[in-house]
Amino acid sequence: NAGVTQTPKFQVLKTGQSMTLQCAQDMNHEYMSWYRQDPGMGLRLIHYSVGAGITDQGEVPNGYNVSRSTTEDFPLRLLSAAPSQTSVYFCASSYSGSVNTEAFFGQGTRLTVV
Amino acid sequence: AQKVTQAQTEISVVEKEDVTLDCVYETRDTTYYLFWYKQPPSGELVFLIRRNSFDEQNEISGRYSWNFQKSTSSFNFTITASQVVDSAVYFCALSGASGGYNKLIFGAGTRLAVHP
Repeated sequence: NAGVTQTPKFQVLKTGQSMTLQCAQDMNHEYMSWYRQDPGMGLRLIHYSVGAGITDQGEVPNGYNVSRSTTEDFPLRLLSAAPSQTSVYFCASSYSGSVNTEAFFGQGTRLTVV
Repeated sequence: AQKVTQAQTEISVVEKEDVTLDCVYETRDTTYYLFWYKQPPSGELVFLIRRNSFDEQNEISGRYSWNFQKSTSSFNFTITASQVVDSAVYFCALSGASGGYNKLIFGAGTRLAVHP
């Protein structure tokens, strides 16, 4: 059982470049989300999805786009990378609904924008 | 608004010492969940515990124990007889009805260094 798989693990971008961070889960979870981790700030929610075709903004959505065409995949797009987007990105998934369950996290993607 | 405060940025201990990581939270929800995650040097996030707001029983799992006190809005984590393998960043997190149960609000984390 693979759980939550993120690719790539490391990426260096030049300012203005675009890229997509991939996230896939095989647990049939309805809820998926993206967080960024910055020193001294913990993890902050970027975007989330409660099911295929439904996405919404989190705390720090600017500069990022998401879509959810399937239950399994939830890619995060950077349209024009900026140095402020240098961070470690985590994708997470969990069952949705009123009873909270454990969130499963991917291994993370370390992104550097130069 | 929901908020999690981990006031200890870094803690350094010698192996076999006991260490407590503090977590203070703010929420207006009556139903909420509290979590602890461990992030070892390899970078992944490891789930340690989930506690709901109606269960104030302390929990012990091996060398780990958690003290949940609603009166002080705290959910502290104690490692007994610390080991070098406990060296990691530890995050406390909160989710609740107002923000959505699946949305985690994280504290800034506490970096624990256990020295031989």
